[in-house]
Amino acid sequence: GQQVMQIPQYQHVQEGEDFTTYCNSSTTLSNIQWYKQRPGGHPVFLIQLVKSGEVKKQKRLTFQFGEAKKNSSLHITATQTTDVGTYFCAFKGNQFYFGTGTSLTVIP
Amino acid sequence: DTGVSQNPRHKITKRGQNVTFRCDPISEHNRLYWYRQTLGQGPEFLTYFQNEAQLEKSRLLSDRFSAERPKGSFSTLEIQRTEQGDSAMYLCASSLGGANPNEQYFGPGTRLTVT
Repeated sequence: GQQVMQIPQYQHVQEGEDFTTYCNSSTTLSNIQWYKQRPGGHPVFLIQLVKSGEVKKQKRLTFQFGEAKKNSSLHITATQTTDVGTYFCAFKGNQFYFGTGTSLTVIP
Repeated sequence: DTGVSQNPRHKITKRGQNVTFRCDPISEHNRLYWYRQTLGQGPEFLTYFQNEAQLEKSRLLSDRFSAERPKGSFSTLEIQRTEQGDSAMYLCASSLGGANPNEQYFGPGTRLTVT
């Protein structure tokens, strides 16, 4: 079935270091969304990408959709403790499919 | 608070009992989704409504699960004859059609524990 794989599963970084999570699909995706879930919280929508090679920025966050529309990445520059949480990619096929997430820990 | 609300927030039940959860979406949102999430996993799609019509239902969803959205506003998710494997966080989300139909707003979830 359709699914997306995320790597890494866990990432520990020192505050101020950069962080990247990757989302990979074996099939071409028409869209990709990114969500953030804080510990004990619920997923919060961050962004949607739909175009091949699309790059969008939100302050320190950079989102990219691959040219073949089979992968996506989320990069955080100079992490802060407020970035702690699990980052999920998701896409809409006949239903919504979420990746397994990357759990980010930021060490002060 | 005009966000998505879910009730109850926690439910503990004995195996074999029926449970019902309620979701109130953001008022103008016509799309409503139910997900299940277990520890360390991403949300798993259960079902989706557009207005009162149930348009998609996961093939993995047992017949013990049923959902309704009778007037196109709030929705209920019922689990009959609960099993220990049903223990999870049940999340509801809503979205507005039009330009951003995939931008989902999640509620705080209902945590179900089946003993």
